[in-house]
This record gives sequence, C-alpha cells and structure tokens, in this order.
Amino acid sequence: QQQVKQSPQSLIVQKGGISIINCAYENTAFDYFPWYQQFPGKGPALLIAIRPDVSEKKEGRFTISFNKSAKQFSLHIMDSQPGDSATYFCAASKGGNTPLVFGKGTRLSVIA
Amino acid sequence: GAVVSQHPSWVICKSGTSVKIECRSLDFQATTMFWYRQFPKQSLMLMATSNEGSKATYEQGVEKDKFLINHASLTLSTLTVTSAHPEDSSFYICSAIRQNTGELFFGEGSRLTVL
Repeated sequence: QQQVKQSPQSLIVQKGGISIINCAYENTAFDYFPWYQQFPGKGPALLIAIRPDVSEKKEGRFTISFNKSAKQFSLHIMDSQPGDSATYFCAASKGGNTPLVFGKGTRLSVIA
Repeated sequence: GAVVSQHPSWVICKSGTSVKIECRSLDFQATTMFWYRQFPKQSLMLMATSNEGSKATYEQGVEKDKFLINHASLTLSTLTVTSAHPEDSSFYICSAIRQNTGELFFGEGSRLTVL
C-alpha cells in the first residue's frame, strides 16, 4: 500500500516555465511534508517542507501548496532552469523520530 | 551546517562476501538513524530504523540477518550486507535525526555493486 502517491512520473518543462508536481496522502497522522531534490548518484537534499498548520510556504523559486482537507500537497518551481533538472520526491512523516515515507518520484527535465 | 557522512561512497564486492557501510553524523548526535535502499530510477524504500543502544527495527520484508545494523554510538550507525548477492546491488542511503532539534539530514549514499 503506497502511503504517498506522487504524480507525474516525469515532466518536461521549458526554461522559464513553472514545474508543478503533486502528491496525495492517506494517513491523517502525517504532520510533516518535505520535498527533496536528488541528482544522479547523490543523496536526497531537502528543498522545502511544510506542516499542516499553513496552506502555503514559499522559499525563493520553490513553493509548497498544502490542502489539508483534500490530503494533497504540491511543489511549484517558478522560472524553471536547466539546473533544476533532477528527480523530486515528496515525503511525509508523523514527526518525532518516525521515518519519512517517500513518493515514487518525478523526473523533471527543464529544456532550453 | 550539519552533515551526515557515508563511507564508502561506492563499493564493488564479490558474491558471497560481506560489506559494511558506515553512516556518521559529523557535528551532531543522533539517537535515531534510518537506512533506505534505492534501486535505479526508483524511490527510497525504508529498510530499518536504527536506535542508539538498542536493536534496529526492520521493515516488513527486510531480512535482519542479512542486513545487520549496529548503532553503537550517538554518531555512528553501520549497515552490514552479509553474504552479498548481485540482487543486493543498490544505492544505500542513511539519514539521521539531530538530537534535541529533530532535524533530519541525509547522507550522500553508498553504491554497492555485487559481482
């Protein structure tokens, strides 16, 4: 049973465009929702994270939108650049010392 | 900033041998560390939760006798793949929770290739 569903599996965006990746979860006990960026052969790097008490968080070109009632959250990358080409994972956890559960990932390609 | 270091970053071994991978929190103490496995073009799958001074908690389907985890200190957890086989070839990634703050940091991963 997949606890965090992520879509799309792959995404191609023109340079300067907006990349949007969506995730949905089932477990209402989750209270921490991070997004990770991973380049080939590297560990995941935290991009941005949100908790359920806010509906949106923005850091630079990255924005998380969170819809608690729909149990969905999304990552928006504004002004996408070729250097953003990577695999992005959403994740969720119950906080404390509990592990992250990851979505299946989205391979983003930003083309010039 | 906080760093989690994994060693080795890549290793090639013969089938039947054992390989140890270290995960160290370099400038913080971590009572809890997690081990993930990632196959090519797939997501990170949790293998086990490692707690300092106690036995690791393994996820369903992960053989505890094959993947030995030791968390003997607040800065070091090790994963030993025993009697490795080609199907164990994967990218192994650890993460550590910083004590007192709860922040989570990932290592750079260790690529294991079993011939």
